[in-house]
Amino acid sequence: GNSVTQMEGPVTLSEEAFLTINCTYTATGYPSLFWYVQYPGEGLQLLLKATKADDKGSNKGFEATYRKETTSFHLEKGSVQVSDSAVYFCALSLGSSNTGKLIFGQGTTLQVKP
Amino acid sequence: EAGVVQSPRYKIIEKKQPVAFWCNPISGHNTLYWYLQNLGQGPELLIRYENEEAVDDSQLPKDRFSAERLKGVDSTLKIQPAELGDSAVYLCASSPTGLADNEQFFGPGTRLTVL
Repeated sequence: GNSVTQMEGPVTLSEEAFLTINCTYTATGYPSLFWYVQYPGEGLQLLLKATKADDKGSNKGFEATYRKETTSFHLEKGSVQVSDSAVYFCALSLGSSNTGKLIFGQGTTLQVKP
Repeated sequence: EAGVVQSPRYKIIEKKQPVAFWCNPISGHNTLYWYLQNLGQGPELLIRYENEEAVDDSQLPKDRFSAERLKGVDSTLKIQPAELGDSAVYLCASSPTGLADNEQFFGPGTRLTVL
């Protein structure tokens, strides 16, 4: 079936450290891939997305590249800030028949310490 | 522009009681989703609406859960009767269309506790 697997958390980093959160997926067909973020006390919001192989999504200094050969969509940021502390969800959506259904990973909690 | 509105934000009930959640999507968004999020997990789709039509309700436990979106705008999700295992956060989301690469906009969720 279709699924998303993320690295276990929590991930604890010092400010200005490099961040990688691993995400791999299993899907029939050609999914669109997303990273959503949930800041404390707020709803889920889209961080970035990529809709086809080799596309790179980017936003707020975060990047992720759609790697079809490794079925991965790892999230990276060169220098994290305390304000990046949140829960990050990798997700996929399949394109056939206007499904629009998001399938999420379990989420990875990031804690950034000053 | 107002975001997705959900109410109530928190609800505590005893098992076997009914409960209802309300969602008002972003104006003009035809597609509305209800997701269930258990603690420490990612959201899972319960039902998706295109306007007033439920086009994917395969994950909705129909023996106790029901939903409606009568005029294709706001929506209500109901549980009757509630069970202990229904304790979770219920998320509503909307998007302009149901296309797979559309961003979904999420509300803050309703946290349900069943005692």
